Amino acid sequence: DVILTQTPLSPVTLGQPASISCRSSQSLVHSDGNTYLSWLHQRPGQPPRLLIYKISHRLSGVPDRFSGNGAGTDFTLKISRVEAEDVGVYYCAQATQLKWTFGQGTKVEIK
Amino acid sequence: QVQLVQSGAEVKKPGASVMLSCVASGYTFTNNYMHWVRQAPGQGLDWMGMIYPRDGSTSYPQKFQDRITMTRDTSTNTIYMQLSSLRSEDTAVYYCVRDAEAFDVWGQGTMVTVSS
Repeated sequence: DVILTQTPLSPVTLGQPASISCRSSQSLVHSDGNTYLSWLHQRPGQPPRLLIYKISHRLSGVPDRFSGNGAGTDFTLKISRVEAEDVGVYYCAQATQLKWTFGQGTKVEIK
Repeated sequence: QVQLVQSGAEVKKPGASVMLSCVASGYTFTNNYMHWVRQAPGQGLDWMGMIYPRDGSTSYPQKFQDRITMTRDTSTNTIYMQLSSLRSEDTAVYYCVRDAEAFDVWGQGTMVTVSS
């Protein structure tokens, strides 16, 4: 199984940038040439919400302060200026050959 | 608008089975894969498998292979997930999720409690 490892994040200051890392145990390049790496955000008591799919594609309605990049086994979600509503847990997720796995989650808190 | 509405909370005894449902609306049901994802209290997300409503084909991770079944009813735009041989570790919120672009639409979640 593909294992996704996310790094913890220290509390962030409002208005400052933040980066969350997701590292895969193997390359996520699919046989069709795409890389199905997504980022989701979950606030307490709510279902997760998709932010980014296929590494860097922002879902409609997601603020442009969120961006994703990376390739192969290393991926990053960046928040250009953290806002209060961005607190919660962020998960990366991947699909290879019709099997999905999630990272363990990275909690974002405000300093 | 696209909506996924899940069935209500369940309380089950160890060893029992549970069947959850998820009704989709606002889009063409047969066009997109559907997933089930669960989240134990205070824990992360756990992918349970997926179904393609057009032909009913499924894919499950190894850990659930022997006790999970996903089905669909195209006449009512509903998917079902049956989990058998329940144990206390199955206590979690269970979500159905549409896959148009990854996990783009989530149901509200169904709490399943397994307790003697």
